[in-house]
Amino acid sequence: AQSVAQPEDQVNVAEGNPLTVKCTYSVSGNPYLFWYVQYPNRGLQFLLKYITGDNLVKGSYGFEAEFNKSQTSFHLKKPSALVSDSALYFCAVRDGGNNRLAFGKGNQVVVIP
Amino acid sequence: NAGVMQNPRHLVRRRGQEARLRCSPMKGHSHVYWYRQLPEEGLKFMVYLQKENIIDESGMPKERFSAEFPKEGPSILRIQQVVRGDSAAYFCASSLSQGSSYNEQFFGPGTRLTVL
Repeated sequence: AQSVAQPEDQVNVAEGNPLTVKCTYSVSGNPYLFWYVQYPNRGLQFLLKYITGDNLVKGSYGFEAEFNKSQTSFHLKKPSALVSDSALYFCAVRDGGNNRLAFGKGNQVVVIP
Repeated sequence: NAGVMQNPRHLVRRRGQEARLRCSPMKGHSHVYWYRQLPEEGLKFMVYLQKENIIDESGMPKERFSAEFPKEGPSILRIQQVVRGDSAAYFCASSLSQGSSYNEQFFGPGTRLTVL
């Protein structure tokens, strides 16, 4: 089975500073990787995906992610964090031919004003 | 275009009762996925359905849980004889048909089930 790991529980960053949320993956074959964000008591919102192509993927709300095959990583980044970016972030990988997703445990991001 | 709709948003049941969770996919989407999120955990896949067919139920408990996606109407996740351990947020996601490319899944707001 495919899996992703999000090693940190919480990421604290000052407003205006760069934000990085880490994700590593374990797959057989080519990975299909995703980032989602969850605000309190809401569903998940899609941010971006990597299927193939450029290693740097640009997504919604100014987020981007870098696919690194040698390090099996897919870290989410934002150059300048906003207080409104405070939320729970999930990395996910396509797990199997039926397109089900396997999620990491999530990272709570707290942006400090 | 309305997103994925789920109802109810909150559901309280006593042990032994039945819970029915409904999901209406986005317009034009024919694929539905159900996930469960336990407290302090990520989402876990339960079942994947297309209209009138269960495609993958490998994540669904073998007993008490069932799902359907009829030709008309929403997808239903049914939990019989609920126990406290069923308390969780249940999310539905939908996507376009897959074809030769991957289409991302769009999630509903979830149903938060509390079993007393």
